[in-house]
Amino acid sequence: DAGVTQSPTHLIKTRGQQVTLRCSPISGHKSVSWYQQVLGQGPQFIFQYYEKEERGRGNFPDRFSARQFPNYSSELNVNALLLGDSALYLCASSLDRDTEAFFGQGTRLTVV
Amino acid sequence: AQKVTQAQTEISVVEKEDVTLDCVYETRDTTYYLFWYKQPPSGELVFLIRRNSFDEQNEISGRYSWNFQKSTSSFNFTITASQVVDSAVYFCALSENSNSGYALNFGKGTSLLVTP
Repeated sequence: DAGVTQSPTHLIKTRGQQVTLRCSPISGHKSVSWYQQVLGQGPQFIFQYYEKEERGRGNFPDRFSARQFPNYSSELNVNALLLGDSALYLCASSLDRDTEAFFGQGTRLTVV
Repeated sequence: AQKVTQAQTEISVVEKEDVTLDCVYETRDTTYYLFWYKQPPSGELVFLIRRNSFDEQNEISGRYSWNFQKSTSSFNFTITASQVVDSAVYFCALSENSNSGYALNFGKGTSLLVTP
């Protein structure tokens, strides 16, 4: 069975640009969460989606948005990129909102 | 406020030594979940264990064992007979029902280096 897949794996963007990151959960999993991990720190929660609805939001500005599609895949959008948005963005998939979360390999975003 | 504290930033051991990674958490909920993840240099977070707050039984999985003690709000992780492949950053995380749903609150991680 395929695990959590994220695309792209690496991305370089310029300040002020917009970026879209994609995530496909494990088959049968209905919950997708997004995390940001800056170098040397633990992942920070951005969003949780369950059954296509936003169920939780972390302490991130409105430049960050996300959605979940009918097939449970998800996109994370970040507008007006700042240098500080450079990080590893991780997607986690779980069967339900409070069950084991399995992570993808991440998208490494560099903002220059 | 930090909900999960991993006081050990870096640990270095020689192969075959036992090593314990500490995790202390903070919550007011009676229902919560605790996790451990391993992050090798490749970057992917590898799930190791999930424990709910009502199950204080210690768990052993091969060379890995976990000690959950609600009295001290700790969920420590021990690797027995460490191997070079155990070198990674290990994260402890807490999940509770909050305004952020069941978000995982991660500690800052403990970097483990196992040398031959």
